[in-house]
Amino acid sequence: AQSVAQPEDQVNVAEGNPLTVKCTYSVSGNPYLFWYVQYPNRGLQFLLKYITGDNLVKGSYGFEAEFNKSQTSFHLKKPSALVSDSALYFCAVRGLYRNYGGSQGNLIFGKGTKLSVKP
Amino acid sequence: KAGVTQTPRYLIKTRGQQVTLSCSPISGHRSVSWYQQTPGQGLQFLFEYFSETQRNKGNFPGRFSGRQFSNSRSEMNVSTLELGDSALYLCASSAAGTSGRVEQFFGPGTRLTVL
Repeated sequence: AQSVAQPEDQVNVAEGNPLTVKCTYSVSGNPYLFWYVQYPNRGLQFLLKYITGDNLVKGSYGFEAEFNKSQTSFHLKKPSALVSDSALYFCAVRGLYRNYGGSQGNLIFGKGTKLSVKP
Repeated sequence: KAGVTQTPRYLIKTRGQQVTLSCSPISGHRSVSWYQQTPGQGLQFLFEYFSETQRNKGNFPGRFSGRQFSNSRSEMNVSTLELGDSALYLCASSAAGTSGRVEQFFGPGTRLTVL
């Protein structure tokens, strides 16, 4: 069965410092991995997606995520945090199967991590 | 370019009724996906359509169904509504961007309240 864990409910970072939001996953087969962000009163937004290839995926707003197969992790990173990055971040995983149907091809979301960036 | 639009934005129904939600994707986007967001269950994936075919599906009961039309507009239907179906239903459309990277955009959602 697929699962995804975001071990931190909240991450606090000072503006200008690097930030990391953690995500680990469990899936049979090769994973599709995603990060999304939900800003207050601005809806859900897609940040980035990993399918295959380079382990470092670049996304929107200067974010990037590193895929680590041995640690089954897909942590979200940014070199220098902004106050405007404060939001709720969701990691998601989909198992890559030859056939799609039923529970295969499901997309499982983590519970979310609240990022707070202080000036 | 207009964004993803969802109608209606707010809806109140009673238990046992059925409801249809509509999603118009960004022009040129052929993939539409649906999600449910609740305080208790968080974000859950419902289904994804591409060129009128369901490509991926979440673990929701058969009361939840969807379809996509030839113009890429999509509808989702929930029959025999239950109190637990009260949620924000989000639609997203996606396509490969000019850089080759996937671009996905979400609509504002439809807030469904079941009484």
